[in-house]
Amino acid sequence: TQLLEQSPQFLSIQEGENLTVYCNSSSVFSSLQWYRQEPGEGPVLLVTVVTGGEVKKLKRLTFQFGDARKDSSLHITAAQPGDTGLYLCAGNGWGKLQFGAGTQVVVTP
Amino acid sequence: DADVTQTPRNRITKTGKRIMLECSQTKGHDRMYWYRQDPGLGLRLIYYSFDVKDINKGEISDGYSVSRQAQAKFSLSLESAIPNQTALYFCATSDSRDRVNTGELFFGEGSRLTVL
Repeated sequence: TQLLEQSPQFLSIQEGENLTVYCNSSSVFSSLQWYRQEPGEGPVLLVTVVTGGEVKKLKRLTFQFGDARKDSSLHITAAQPGDTGLYLCAGNGWGKLQFGAGTQVVVTP
Repeated sequence: DADVTQTPRNRITKTGKRIMLECSQTKGHDRMYWYRQDPGLGLRLIYYSFDVKDINKGEISDGYSVSRQAQAKFSLSLESAIPNQTALYFCATSDSRDRVNTGELFFGEGSRLTVL
């Protein structure tokens, strides 16, 4: 059973469209990280959110941490082919980092 | 050169064989981790080490062992490989400034293992 549920599992969109990826749990986390993984490479950290209700922006990417620190979302505005990748959320709790299964995003020109 | 280097990058072996995956890092981090990645299951922690003398089991340690030979080196062994250990394996490091939480993980490029 996955502690962190990510949805959708797969998302295919056209360049210029917007998308949102969700990361949900019944557990409270002290912080939550988002990673992006490209084929043949290891995941790379995009952002860490710490405070409930926090919103962080990274260019066209907007990350939100739920008020209760149980869920998070990643919104991409005007997606580009370079945004293609596997997006992973990971929650920090009890000294461990738990990963979700990931959302595969494909952005076609 | 990569900060976290894994060898081999690809390996095909047979059931029952002993396999070692090696990881070395130049980031100077105390903490090192081994994860496996399977489609639809994300990354699952096999073992982690907070320093050379501190090694801990993760959520799926059965069938695996590790050795922390130095601060910069952390190897993963499969004593007798079986087909359901076919997966993509990642080594990662993090610094130890936060005593409670796991900080940013820096991953290697992965080792793809196939057990026939």
